[in-house]
Amino acid sequence: SQELEQSPQSLIVQEGKNLTINCTSSKTLYGLYWYKQKYGEGLIFLMMLQKGGEEKSHEKITAKLDEKKQQSSLHITASQPSHAGIYLCGAAYNAGNMLTFGGGTRLMVKP
Amino acid sequence: DAGITQSPRHKVTETGTPVTLRCHQTENHRYMYWYRQDPGHGLRLIHYSYGVKDTDKGEVSDGYSVSRSKTEDFLLTLESATSSQTSVYFCAISERGRVTEAFFGQGTRLTVV
Repeated sequence: SQELEQSPQSLIVQEGKNLTINCTSSKTLYGLYWYKQKYGEGLIFLMMLQKGGEEKSHEKITAKLDEKKQQSSLHITASQPSHAGIYLCGAAYNAGNMLTFGGGTRLMVKP
Repeated sequence: DAGITQSPRHKVTETGTPVTLRCHQTENHRYMYWYRQDPGHGLRLIHYSYGVKDTDKGEVSDGYSVSRSKTEDFLLTLESATSSQTSVYFCAISERGRVTEAFFGQGTRLTVV
């Protein structure tokens, strides 16, 4: 969606390296969601951010929300092959149950 | 794993033919969704349902229709398939309509030739 830009589109990193994925909204966010999709499978919810400056962690994955920039970054520390997959950010622009998804980032981790 | 099954998992069909994809759940969840996933576009909502016979359009509903005659089944129909509808289709279910509580199916890869 053009309302939600995700970058990079794909990423190949060596095992053990850190990486960052960004998600930028052109509209004011109500909430920002991060999902992971393993190849050929459905989505797994990782975390949700709502407040500016909020930071959450899920195992070695940390996400932050920059309310001023309407942007969220997802950071993986010491990447593992198990981190490979497609990461999608989803934006909620109101309190309803609809999400606009970003284009996804395909992550490969080389052993 | 949540009881959500999509069928078929893979389908190749010809342009102009009708196609129906099925999403079946055993969780008795009220909300059901159909998304399509395309490179560079992420997931886009096609239609959703908030109860039996209660459906509404999503972001990319043109060319698609849905039906929900039973709580457990949500059907997505392409009346006359086009090549632009080649995509991976995901069904999702949610008990209270909260996206963070949604469970996604494994997807159906549809190719229209």
